[in-house]
Amino acid sequence: DAGVTQSPTHLIKTRGQQVTLRCSPKSGHDTVSWYQQALGQGPQFIFQYYEEEERQRGNFPDRFSGHQFPNYSSELNVNALLLGDSALYLCASSSWTGIDTEAFFGQGTRLTVV
Amino acid sequence: GESVGLHLPTLSVQEGDNSIINCAYSNSASDYFIWYKQESGKGPQFIIDIRSNMDKRQGQRVTVLLNKTVKHLSLQIAATQPGDSAVYFCAENRGTGFQKLVFGTGTRLLVSP
Repeated sequence: DAGVTQSPTHLIKTRGQQVTLRCSPKSGHDTVSWYQQALGQGPQFIFQYYEEEERQRGNFPDRFSGHQFPNYSSELNVNALLLGDSALYLCASSSWTGIDTEAFFGQGTRLTVV
Repeated sequence: GESVGLHLPTLSVQEGDNSIINCAYSNSASDYFIWYKQESGKGPQFIIDIRSNMDKRQGQRVTVLLNKTVKHLSLQIAATQPGDSAVYFCAENRGTGFQKLVFGTGTRLLVSP
């Protein structure tokens, strides 16, 4: 049983460009959350998708957008990249059974903006 | 603000010792807490969780204690091993009806043989 998989593992982009990161949730999970982790910091909640809709959003600008597909996989899009967007982007999957459900994280995508 | 703080940024222990990692949270309404372990280059790995209606929960070699009066959480690791070396995060759920985890900055645990 594959866990949460993310692609690509590493990415280098130039300021102003756009990027798309992908996530496949753990088998049986229907909810995907995205987090941004800056170096030396804890992950910060970006948004969560369930039933192909964004259910909740953290304090991130509209440059960050996402999508969830019928097979529960998800994409994170970031437009007009800034140097400060350089971070590890983590995808977490869980079952929509409420707040107290274990979230499994992927290995992350390391994005470097130059 | 949204923050879950940790008392110590780095904890160094000898192999075989018991380790205690502490965490303070700010939202008294938080009702679910998780400890994660993150090794270099990897995503956070679930260790143990606890609901707010509990004071203590035990797993394999790990125990989480929750003190809601002072909004304090701790992770105890028994017989610490070199493989336990990693950054440990506590996270609290700030979502209502869904899960929105708020993480602290982490504590680095260094285990020497």
